[in-house]
This record gives sequence, C-alpha cells and structure tokens, in this order.
Amino acid sequence: AQSVAQPEDQVNVAEGNPLTVKCTYSVSGNPYLFWYVQYPNRGLQFLLKYITGDNLVKGSYGFEAEFNKSQTSFHLKKPSALVSDSALYFCAVRPWGYNQGGKLIFGQGTELSVKP
Amino acid sequence: GAGVSQSPSNKVTEKGKDVELRCDPISGHTALYWYRQSLGQGLEFLIYFQGNSAPDKSGLPSDRFSAERTGGSVSTLTIQRTQQEDSAVYLCASSSHTQETQYFGPGTRLLVL
Repeated sequence: AQSVAQPEDQVNVAEGNPLTVKCTYSVSGNPYLFWYVQYPNRGLQFLLKYITGDNLVKGSYGFEAEFNKSQTSFHLKKPSALVSDSALYFCAVRPWGYNQGGKLIFGQGTELSVKP
Repeated sequence: GAGVSQSPSNKVTEKGKDVELRCDPISGHTALYWYRQSLGQGLEFLIYFQGNSAPDKSGLPSDRFSAERTGGSVSTLTIQRTQQEDSAVYLCASSSHTQETQYFGPGTRLLVL
C-alpha cells in the first residue's frame, strides 16, 4: 500500500534555531513528493516539491527539503525558524502511474510551534 | 491572479439534509480535485476531474456523495442525506495538468447537527 508517515505529531523549536519536520514514504515507482503548510482556518499552501534531479529542493519562505531514496525520506528543513512559521505541515506523495491521475496521499500532519 | 475559491466557507446543516459545495478552480486549470479533512481521518482524496470527466472516483466514501464539473471549470460536490460523520472540511484543488502542482482553496467547513 502506498503511504506517507509523519512520525511527529508536534515539533517545538525556539525562534532562530534550525527546524526539521520528518516525512517518510512508501510508494511504488519513482515518487513525486510535496510539502504543504496550513495556517488556522486556511487551505493548504504549496511549499516545495521533488520530482527528479537534485536531492535538495528549495521552496517558499526559506524552506528546503532533502530527498533520500535509500531511507525513503523527504524531511522539511529551515536553517532559522520564525514565530510566523508556526503552522500545520503536511507531506504528500503522488503515486506514480498514468492511471493515478495525480491524486495526493497525505501524511497525518505535524504541528510546528516556534516560540520566541 | 485569482486562486481557487470555494463556497460557502461554512455550512451548518441538519442530519438528513442535502448540501452542495462549490469550487471555482484557477482559470485554465484542467485538473480539479476534491479532498476531505477530518480529525479522525486526516486528509483524504475524494475524486478528481480531468476536464468534465471524473476518471477516479475511488475516494468517495458512499453513494451519498457525488460530484460534477461543467464547462471544464466550476465543480459541485453534493452530499445527500447528510450524516454527522460527514462533518469535515472539504478542500478543492486545481492544477494545470495532472502532473503539476495542486493549488488549494480555503475549504468549506461542514457541520452536520
């Protein structure tokens, strides 16, 4: 079965410190991987994606993610956290295949809290 | 440019009533997706459209759920005879192609009393 796991329900970080939000996946074929962020009472905002190429992907708001095929991981990182980064973060994978139609499979989400 | 819009933003209904949720995708986007976000189930795929056709309806939880898309643009998700377990946030997304990034609307928060 194709799935995405975010092992931490919550991550707490002090402002200015680096942050990591973890994601591992299980899919057949080559994965297309995404990170989205959700602020309270808002929809999901796209942060970044990995399709192919360089394993380090840079996205919006200073976020980046590293694709690791051997560990089947796609962890989200930021060198210096801001209080405004506090939100719910979702990792998603798009199953590979013509008949998959592009639907996304999401992890359960990780609540990031950045304290001043 | 305008993003994905959804209406209503909030909907409160009584058990057994029918509801319609609307999604306006980004102009020119041919692919449209519906997802449901609930506390117990997280984010689940419901259905996707390519143009006006729906090649994948595998996520619709029961035959009370249906969706259509007209003119390759607006989509309506209909829930008949609503149940309390239908309470959730219904999210719509669109992309220029099924292989491209999906952009989400703000969602419709449905509460079934």
